[in-house]
Amino acid sequence: GAGVSQSPSNKVTEKGKDVELRCDPISGHTALYWYRQSLGQGLEFLIYFQGNSAPDKSGLPSDRFSAERTGGSVSTLTIQRTQQEDSAVYLCASSLVAGVNTEAFFGQGTRLTVV
Amino acid sequence: KQEVTQIPAALSVPEGENLVLNCSFTDSAIYNLQWFRQDPGKGLTSLLLIQSSQREQTSGRLNASLDKSSGRSTLYIAASQPGDSATYLCAVRRNSGGGADGLTFGKGTHLIIQP
Repeated sequence: GAGVSQSPSNKVTEKGKDVELRCDPISGHTALYWYRQSLGQGLEFLIYFQGNSAPDKSGLPSDRFSAERTGGSVSTLTIQRTQQEDSAVYLCASSLVAGVNTEAFFGQGTRLTVV
Repeated sequence: KQEVTQIPAALSVPEGENLVLNCSFTDSAIYNLQWFRQDPGKGLTSLLLIQSSQREQTSGRLNASLDKSSGRSTLYIAASQPGDSATYLCAVRRNSGGGADGLTFGKGTHLIIQP
């Protein structure tokens, strides 16, 4: 696609429910990154994929968070048993490859509100 | 652990002024440094990417410099315009040896250009 696409753009969910956030990277980009931006905080790195594998999951805040990527393209970030502190904007980015001097391109984000 | 600091946190100047935004990082082992702008409620737009081997990059009225050894970067905006009003984020991609992970962001400089 022309750019990184994320869906939904907004999600309101009840505490305790599971949510899935989707990211469609730029076509041909092998590296995909997830970040979280909480109110008043900087962007926090969560996880990145090179192809379908995730070499670095160290940023995931708890075991309620998981992510997968299939076919080297679409990625899904799943949050189980959501808590109010999960409320944030979740941003996805992609780049041509990881580990070299390439530029990251961001989607518009998914604003998650847990009530 | 890489830490990125941006100074000032907020800046308000009259239209037409030249201005400098500062970014510092603690670990000089980086792949690259990228400057972004974020408009309210929107995703990130990449402005400039500086490779670790470069000292500066220019795009239109923007010029970004990198001094990797001292852990500093500056974003220079010439002849500022009201449309430049946004939050400017600095981010570094760490060289983690086994492959690059995501970007580490500063908390941004919130810039207002007064008409």
